Formats: sequence, C-alpha cells, structure tokens
Amino acid sequence: QSVLTQPPSASGTPGQSVTISCSGGSSNIGSNTVNWYQQFPGTAPKLLIYRNNQLPSGVPDRFSGSKSGTSASLAITGLQTEDEADYYCSTWDETLRGPVFGGGTKLAVL
Amino acid sequence: QVQLQESGPRLVKPSETLSLTCSVSGNSISSSSYYWGWVRQPPGKGLEWIASFYSVGSTLFNDSLKSRVSISGDTAKNQVSLTLRSVTAADTAVYFCARGRGNWNYEYFYIDVWGQGTTVTVSS
Repeated sequence: QSVLTQPPSASGTPGQSVTISCSGGSSNIGSNTVNWYQQFPGTAPKLLIYRNNQLPSGVPDRFSGSKSGTSASLAITGLQTEDEADYYCSTWDETLRGPVFGGGTKLAVL
Repeated sequence: QVQLQESGPRLVKPSETLSLTCSVSGNSISSSSYYWGWVRQPPGKGLEWIASFYSVGSTLFNDSLKSRVSISGDTAKNQVSLTLRSVTAADTAVYFCARGRGNWNYEYFYIDVWGQGTTVTVSS
C-alpha cells in the first residue's frame, strides 16, 4: 500500500492530452513539493518534474506539473507513442521522515 | 556527467546478508550538496526508498527497514555501500543507487541521478 495514491492506469491517443493524479495527505504533499519520475520497462526511473512544476534540462515542455493542497497532477500534452511508460509521483513525508512514492501509473498511448 | 554503477551478488540465500556497492563517477560523494542512497523496486511493483546519507554524516532510513539496513560512504573510493541483513524473499528486487537533492527541512527532496539498477534475488 503506497503512501501516495495514483490511478494504476491511464491512456490516450497520439496528439491528445492526459492528466495523471497523485493524492496524499498533510504530512507529505500538503507540506512539501512533488516530483514526478518516468520509467520505461527494464530501465531506471528518470526525473521528469521536480519541485511541483520544474522541468529538468532536456524534458520537453509537453510535460507539466501542478500541486493544490494535498494533491498533485502531471499533465502531458500532444501525446506521443514514446510517452508510453510508468509514471511515479514522490515527495517527502514528515511523519515517515523520508521520501515516499505513489504506486505508479502505467500510461498507454493507443 | 555523473554516473552511478551498482555492483554486488545477484543471488542471496534467505537469512543471509545482502551487500551492494555503488561506484560514483563525475561527482564526489563528499560534496555537501547531495544525498547518496538506495531505492528498490520489487518485480512488477513500485519504488521504495531504503536509505540515504548526507556528507556531514547524517543518515536517513526507511523506518520499515531501519533495523536491518546500514549505509556508508567510502570517500577514498568514491563509493556508497548498502547492507541489508536477514533477507527474505520479500527483499527480492532491483536495487538502484540514487543521488538526491534537498533543502534543510526537506521542503524539497528529489532524486536527480539514478544508477541502472542491479537485480537481487533472495532464494535458497
């Protein structure tokens, strides 16, 4: 059971937009900034969004992040087939005194 | 360019100790700007943070693993080591070495560099 709650799956067609949600509580998302990671099968996660809405160098601006209260969202516009991957949200948890992750959302681009 | 490379046994017997090493290149683990640690991912499951340390000697542990985990850094070799004692099948996972960044109160904390991961199976 993950501390942060994500939908297990999401889907869209090429060119569409999709949003993935991440729900937490006052001790984690409510207190700290949220990060998003992208992971392809058999590879390491890659930092996609940090500090709620910051893009690391090289990440397309089709990806964006937002946070409100104890929830956060990852939005992808202009979906491409290469966006098909697992996406994880993460933040620091004050009670657990460490970083926590969502269970992951598998994105299918149909 | 920072690179992290994990190494260690692929197979460990139940009740024994798992030891992994992460060799870091392109960045000193003595740098005060980063956290160095480990994250694991059981087969078909999500990510779980294990432990991290900061250059000034501060270590952080996942409470659920704290009684079995040790983490340390060898500045001469620029390596980060993980030890997990009394392993069971539930410890079977891909183990990732990870570089983290965070501020003093962890208002932000994120992993910006990951190793490729090493698969560890616990089985007799």
